[in-house]
Amino acid sequence: KAGVTQTPRYLIKTRGQQVTLSCSPISGHRSVSWYQQTPGQGLQFLFEYFSETQRNKGNFPGRFSGRQFSNSRSEMNVSTLELGDSALYLCASSLDVGYGYTFGSGTRLTVV
Amino acid sequence: QKEVEQNSGPLSVPEGAIASLNCTYSDRVSQSFFWYRQYSGKSPELIMSIYSNGDKEDGRFTAQLNKASQYVSLLIRDSQPSDSATYLCAVNSNNNDMRFGAGTRLTVKP
Repeated sequence: KAGVTQTPRYLIKTRGQQVTLSCSPISGHRSVSWYQQTPGQGLQFLFEYFSETQRNKGNFPGRFSGRQFSNSRSEMNVSTLELGDSALYLCASSLDVGYGYTFGSGTRLTVV
Repeated sequence: QKEVEQNSGPLSVPEGAIASLNCTYSDRVSQSFFWYRQYSGKSPELIMSIYSNGDKEDGRFTAQLNKASQYVSLLIRDSQPSDSATYLCAVNSNNNDMRFGAGTRLTVKP
């Protein structure tokens, strides 16, 4: 059974640019959540999608957005990148609320 | 008050000892509770889930839940050096999100 696939693994962008990260969940998992992980803040919730609908959103500015496609694949977009956006972005899939998550390997974003 | 709180550690135990990791949460309506293990440079991996008060055992791991005290713990028996990692407590409320604690770094010394 394939795991959660995130692409790309590494990204280097300059301030002001935008970036799109991709996540393919485990087959049959319709819930996809995104997290930002930094050494100082730990895992911070960005948003959760289920069947193409955003069900919940964390406390991040509007520069952070996402979407989910009919095949459950999800993308996350960050516009007007800032240095503070440098982090590991993790995608996690699950069957639904109340189930544990399976995480992808993450995308490490560096903003210079 | 943080939604999910853990002692950041580091927690150091000798090989073969019991490691005890603790977590408290603030949302009284939380329904699902999880422990994840994260090795350095890797992504978190689910190791235990617990939904009702009491103990749940899986191999060397025991999760304990006390909803009245809003407290979750993880016991690792016969700790091994390979258990050295950061352990993340996570709590799922009814808001369709899962909130994580900052993690406790565990070191098991041979």
